[in-house]
Amino acid sequence: QQQVKQSPQSLIVQKGGISIINCAYENTAFDYFPWYQQFPGKGPALLIAIRPDVSEKKEGRFTISFNKSAKQFSLHIMDSQPGDSATYFCAASDRGSTLGRLYFGRGTQLTVWP
Amino acid sequence: GAVVSQHPSWVICKSGTSVKIECRSLDFQATTMFWYRQFPKQSLMLMATSNEGSKATYEQGVEKDKFLINHASLTLSTLTVTSAHPEDSSFYICSATTSDNLYEQYFGPGTRLTVT
Repeated sequence: QQQVKQSPQSLIVQKGGISIINCAYENTAFDYFPWYQQFPGKGPALLIAIRPDVSEKKEGRFTISFNKSAKQFSLHIMDSQPGDSATYFCAASDRGSTLGRLYFGRGTQLTVWP
Repeated sequence: GAVVSQHPSWVICKSGTSVKIECRSLDFQATTMFWYRQFPKQSLMLMATSNEGSKATYEQGVEKDKFLINHASLTLSTLTVTSAHPEDSSFYICSATTSDNLYEQYFGPGTRLTVT
């Protein structure tokens, strides 16, 4: 059972455009929602994360929007650049019961055309 | 800070042999370490969780006797793939958390294992 559902599977965006990736979850005990960026042959790197007490978090060109009632969260990449081309994973964890175990979405392969 | 290294970065071994992958936290003490495997164009699949000095907790479907995990110190965990088969070929990634930051996992660069 997929604990975190991610869409779309792949995304093509023109340089300068906005990339939007969506995730949904069912477990209301989740209290930490990170996004990871992974380049081919590399480990994932934390991009930005949010906790459910806020609805939005922005760091540079990256913004997480969080909708607690809908149990959804999304990543927005503003002014997308070719260097942003990578695979993005959303994740969720429940610190209270699972020692920080992360449940990952299936990933979104982003391609930004120059 | 919070750097995790893995060694080797890639390894080729023959079917039936064993291979060990090391995961080290370079500048922090890792209270918990996680081991993942990732197939091409797929997500990370958690294999096991380990705490220093105790036995690893394996995910359902992961063979404990095949994937031996040892978390001998607060900076080192090892994954040994025993009697490797071609289907064990994958990208293995470790991550670690600290007691100072209970939320964030710091990921290693991964190890590409190819079994011929």
